[in-house]
Amino acid sequence: GAVVSQHPSRVICKSGTSVKIECRSLDFQATTMFWYRQFPKQSLMLMATSNEGSKATYEQGVEKDKFLINHASLTLSTLTVTSAHPEDSSFYICSALQGDHHNEQFFGPGTRLTVL
Amino acid sequence: GQNIDQPTEMTATEGAIVQINCTYQTSGFNGLFWYQQHAGEAPTFLSYNVLDGLEEKGRFSSFLSRSKGYSYLLLKELQMKDSASYLCAVVDSNYQLIWGAGTKLIIKP
Repeated sequence: GAVVSQHPSRVICKSGTSVKIECRSLDFQATTMFWYRQFPKQSLMLMATSNEGSKATYEQGVEKDKFLINHASLTLSTLTVTSAHPEDSSFYICSALQGDHHNEQFFGPGTRLTVL
Repeated sequence: GQNIDQPTEMTATEGAIVQINCTYQTSGFNGLFWYQQHAGEAPTFLSYNVLDGLEEKGRFSSFLSRSKGYSYLLLKELQMKDSASYLCAVVDSNYQLIWGAGTKLIIKP
């Protein structure tokens, strides 16, 4: 199947700093990528839908000025957590759509963010 | 509102069979997914059902009844490595994925 990578896999940062997470589709072009957040023992929560060349669509309750999403190419989307705080500590997962249908959605391995 | 229900936790014995149920109430239906997620890892795809009936794939099978808003994931010949969370997700009329909270499956020797 298609492969999606995320970098870094784990990051620890101080409160107030910004952290950038990259999501890459390695062997296919993805016009749509999704960013999820998952707190311990909870399900995935969709944060935003990222379309190449246009602004991301954020879910209700997600601050777009805090979670900056850039989908600059068909193989790369980035999520920047600005001025991170301890409550932003979470598991961030991206996924990419290979085609037009959700049954072709492939997940990255996730990024564990810890804000001290 | 949209709602997906699945049991929070289940326990089963190695070598046995377990059925994890999922019921849903969504605005429209365009398919149902089952994902497996081990602790600290991203979900991995198990199955996709869009038509009624049973889809079998090795030790895992998934069943769908659209009229009842119901699906189940059947795991046979359970192995210790099957200990994980199992997530049910439905694609609604807007092609949005609605996620269940997941069922934590504990396998005992």
